Amino acid sequence: KAGVTQTPRYLIKTRGQQVTLSCSPISGHRSVSWYQQTPGQGLQFLFEYFSETQRNKGNFPGRFSGRQFSNSRSEMNVSTLELGDSALYLCASSLGGTREETQYFGPGTRLLVL
Amino acid sequence: SQQGEEDPQALSIQEGENATMNCSYKTSINNLQWYRQNSGRGLVHLILIRSNEREKHSGRLRVTLDTSKKSSSLLITASRAADTASYFCATSGGTSYGKLTFGQGTILTVHP
Repeated sequence: KAGVTQTPRYLIKTRGQQVTLSCSPISGHRSVSWYQQTPGQGLQFLFEYFSETQRNKGNFPGRFSGRQFSNSRSEMNVSTLELGDSALYLCASSLGGTREETQYFGPGTRLLVL
Repeated sequence: SQQGEEDPQALSIQEGENATMNCSYKTSINNLQWYRQNSGRGLVHLILIRSNEREKHSGRLRVTLDTSKKSSSLLITASRAADTASYFCATSGGTSYGKLTFGQGTILTVHP
């Protein structure tokens, strides 16, 4: 079974621009979670989607948004980029049926904001 | 904010030695998982221990969980250079779907 894939792997943007990141979960997984990893704040939860619905959201400003499609693929969007948005963005998928599942992570998208 | 702390922040050992990392958390949990990350890449799942379990083994890994002390430890026996990575504990708890709360991680360096 193929693992979680994320595109693009690397991205350079300038302040004020917007960016869209994509995540394809493991086949059969219906839950996708997104995380931001920075040296200062570590790994922080952004949001989780299941069956095209956002079930959970972390403490990030409204510039961070996401969505999920009927095939469980997910995208996250960051508008009006700030320098502090430079980070590794990780998505993870799980079956989605319970709260106690293992999450399987993709390789991440490294975003640099100049 | 992070759920808890990991200790030590960095650990340097020789091949063949055992490595022990500790994780503390603050709130009640459903389960605790350990992940490995190589050089800023994706996280690799190592092991999951449920809140009603006290110890779990997987290959060279041994995880313990003490819910009364809100702490867990990960032991890697007979370490190899390929074990060099950052190790994170992550907890899930309450009614929250899809959210893992991570510790700050332990950087493990295994010298050949």
